[in-house]
Amino acid sequence: GENVEQHPSTLSVQEGDSAVIKCTYSDSASNYFPWYKQELGKGPQLIIDIRSNVGEKKDQRIAVTLNKTAKHFSLHITETQPEDSAVYFCAALSLGNQGGKLIFGQGTELSVKP
Amino acid sequence: GAGVSQSPRYKVAKRGQDVALRCDPISGHVSLFWYQQALGQGPEFLTYFQNEAQLDKSGLPSDRFFAERPEGSVSTLKIQRTQQEDSAVYLCASSLVQGNSPLHFGNGTRLTVT
Repeated sequence: GENVEQHPSTLSVQEGDSAVIKCTYSDSASNYFPWYKQELGKGPQLIIDIRSNVGEKKDQRIAVTLNKTAKHFSLHITETQPEDSAVYFCAALSLGNQGGKLIFGQGTELSVKP
Repeated sequence: GAGVSQSPRYKVAKRGQDVALRCDPISGHVSLFWYQQALGQGPEFLTYFQNEAQLDKSGLPSDRFFAERPEGSVSTLKIQRTQQEDSAVYLCASSLVQGNSPLHFGNGTRLTVT
C-alpha cells in the first residue's frame, strides 16, 4: 500500500522568510496530492492540491511542486506570516479496487516568529 | 453553506463503555471517510462509504469498531467496549465524488477513555 513520509517534523522561520516542506510517496500509481493545514482544535483544511498531470501549481503565497519520477512533492510558502503557524500535512491518494483513500504524512509543525 | 459537522466535540468514556460518534457530511457529497488521529500524528484511514455502501473498512483497528451510513447521508462510528488506546480524535470527511476530488474535514470528536 501507499506510504507517505514528510520532513521536517518541525520548522521555525522568521516572518517574511520562506518555508519548504517535503514529502515522498511510494505508490507510483498515486495521482492526487493535497496539502492540509490544521490549527489547534480544528480539522485539517485543504490549502492546495496538485494532480499528476502538472508539475507545479501556485495560489498566491503558496505553491506545490511534484516530481513523479522521484516520487516526491513539496509545499512552498513565501513571505510567511504569523497566521501561517499551524501543522501542515501532505497526503497522497492510494488507489485500490474499492476506490481511493488519502494516506497522510506525519505532519510538520510550522512556527512563524514575528 | 454548512461544512462537515461532527458531534459530540468531546467525549469521555470509561473503559468498557460503548460510544457512538456522529458525522453530518456536506449535503450532496457521495463519499464519506472516517479517520483516526492520535496526538501529534497524521490522520489514519479507518473506513470509507460511497453513498450507503461501505466499500473499504480495512483501516478499522478491531471488530470493536463499526461504522454505518444507512441512508447515504449521516454516518455513525461506533466503538464497543472502549479501551485506553482508543483515545484519539476521530475525523470525518466528505467529498463530492469518489477519487481525486477535494476532501472536506469536520473538526473531529476528541475521545478520551479513562
